[in-house]
Amino acid sequence: TQLLEQSPQFLSIQEGENLTVYCNSSSVFSSLQWYRQEPGEGPVLLVTVVTGGEVKKLKRLTFQFGDARKDSSLHITAAQPGDTGLYLCAGGETGANNLFFGTGTRLTVIP
Amino acid sequence: KAGVTQTPRYLIKTRGQQVTLSCSPISGHRSVSWYQQTPGQGLQFLFEYFSETQRNKGNFPGRFSGRQFSNSRSEMNVSTLELGDSALYLCASSSPGQANEKLFFGSGTQLSVL
Repeated sequence: TQLLEQSPQFLSIQEGENLTVYCNSSSVFSSLQWYRQEPGEGPVLLVTVVTGGEVKKLKRLTFQFGDARKDSSLHITAAQPGDTGLYLCAGGETGANNLFFGTGTRLTVIP
Repeated sequence: KAGVTQTPRYLIKTRGQQVTLSCSPISGHRSVSWYQQTPGQGLQFLFEYFSETQRNKGNFPGRFSGRQFSNSRSEMNVSTLELGDSALYLCASSSPGQANEKLFFGSGTQLSVL
């Protein structure tokens, strides 16, 4: 089983603050995806990174894939209450549709 | 375009019973994957179906099974339910051939085993 450890597990911050969530593994993945899940809903894909060292930006969210394709980070600038949710990283293998999900980071942004 | 539809939304069963969950993928999507989500274990891959064939399987006992129909709709079945089977069961569809096969998840079926 390929494990993806996320840190921190829980994060509670004030609106306007910055934060970084980490996703680490001892395994190499062909791609790394980040999802956000809200209560009572399924995860929604935010981004996919495939190249070691790749950086992608989605408005106030910045995603980075580690050079060795074993780890990733998600940085949120000026967090807003709408960013509240469970953030999940997921590693994928070439040619397979089974993702290995991380342990999750539950983010709460307080107005 | 309608999203992934899972039914029922909530289900309560007792130990020893069996249950069938249903998933209708996004129109045109031929791949359907199933995941189990629990507070302790997080999201774990159950199996994936493509063109009515199981293409991939996770590390779950044989009590967990599934199938896919010619219209790509999928069902999963859990027999002889155990308390530990209580979980949110998520279905995701994708359109194979897309780069990195983006998964679209349904809202899930919350199963409680008493």
